[in-house]
Amino acid sequence: GENVEQHPSTLSVQEGDSAVIKCTYSDSASNYFPWYKQELGKGPQLIIDIRSNVGEKKDQRIAVTLNKTAKHFSLHITETQPEDSAVYFCAATRMDSSYKLIFGSGTRLLVRP
Amino acid sequence: EAQVTQNPRYLITVTGKKLTVTCSQNMNHEYMSWYRQDPGLGLRQIYYSMNVEVTDKGDVPEGYKVSRKEKRNFPLILESPSPNQTSLYFCASSPPGLAWTDTQYFGPGTRLTVL
Repeated sequence: GENVEQHPSTLSVQEGDSAVIKCTYSDSASNYFPWYKQELGKGPQLIIDIRSNVGEKKDQRIAVTLNKTAKHFSLHITETQPEDSAVYFCAATRMDSSYKLIFGSGTRLLVRP
Repeated sequence: EAQVTQNPRYLITVTGKKLTVTCSQNMNHEYMSWYRQDPGLGLRQIYYSMNVEVTDKGDVPEGYKVSRKEKRNFPLILESPSPNQTSLYFCASSPPGLAWTDTQYFGPGTRLTVL
């Protein structure tokens, strides 16, 4: 089955700097890769996603890149702000044949003011 | 307001005492799922349901049961809880089809401690 590894487990950056979180997956058939943000005391919330037919997707300060050959994808946050501090999870699945979403272990991001 | 609700939010119990965590959604979603979240392990899927009376095992189903008698409710049942089931539990729901992941709504979580 699918296995997703996420690094780093913790990341501390200065406000205004960029943050990058990386994930690798094992199942070459996976074709959908969402990223979730979890704030303290709340459930995860989807912030951006990417499908296997594109290599990059941007939404304001957030971007995700996908390298299908290497089987890894990354979350990029630019101009970080204190409110970006949270736990971020990557995930992978096969949208057309599976209802199982496999999550990475999470990255705790701290943005220092 | 579209939402997924879970009850209770916090629960401390003892080994072997049966418990149920309820999950309800008001969006008429067909797909519902239970996850547990543990430090360093991320979220792991316990069970999921694609519709009423249709359930299937996720990655860590041992020690858990679910039922889906109505579309809006998807309770998680621990018949004989053990300390290794101490965890933070999330329920999620989404519409069917290929949008099941990109419109998945998570509940606020239930923190369970089994002594």
